[in-house]
Amino acid sequence: AQSVTQLDSQVPVFEEAPVELRCNYSSSVSVYLFWYVQYPNQGLQLLLKYLSGSTLVKGINGFEAEFNKSQTSFHLRKPSVHISDTAEYFCAVSLYTDKLIFGTGTRLQVFP
Amino acid sequence: NAGVTQTPKFRILKIGQSMTLQCTQDMNHNYMYWYRQDPGMGLKLIYYSVGAGITDKGEVPNGYNVSRSTTEDFPLRLELAAPSQTSVYFCASSYSGVGMNTEAFFGQGTRLTVV
Repeated sequence: AQSVTQLDSQVPVFEEAPVELRCNYSSSVSVYLFWYVQYPNQGLQLLLKYLSGSTLVKGINGFEAEFNKSQTSFHLRKPSVHISDTAEYFCAVSLYTDKLIFGTGTRLQVFP
Repeated sequence: NAGVTQTPKFRILKIGQSMTLQCTQDMNHNYMYWYRQDPGMGLKLIYYSVGAGITDKGEVPNGYNVSRSTTEDFPLRLELAAPSQTSVYFCASSYSGVGMNTEAFFGQGTRLTVV
């Protein structure tokens, strides 16, 4: 069975600093990988996804993620964060199915 | 530009009461989902539907029921509310399977407290 691990429950960072949110998955076969963002009191919104092809995936709001098959990782990065990036970020995996398996989430807190 | 609409936004129930969480989407999506979100636990799939008249269990279906009589609506029913069902509930929809090359659109959630 697939699973997703987000090791950092909270990541505090100052505005304009770079950030990396870590995601590792376990699966014996190829999977699709996703990052969703949840702003306060909102539903989830797709940031980016990896299906195949280039391992560097660019998403909305300046975020990008790199798929690393050998390390089974899909870390999310942004070179310079803004206050408005404060939110909870969820990594998710799917084995080409109708269902997503979500990680436990990482709360990104950006300070001025 | 409604997207996925959930009602109510907040609700307090007493143990043993029943209620229905409403979800409707106006994007003509085939797939609809119900998730619950608990602190530090991420989102867990309760039930999903791949089209009108078809529903299936997710990871945590116990204590819940669903129906899908139309493409637009996917209500979630709690028959005998228990404190363990205190959570934030999200409805989502997608054109095809959410784990495939498609995006899931989420409602704003229903915060349910069972006392």
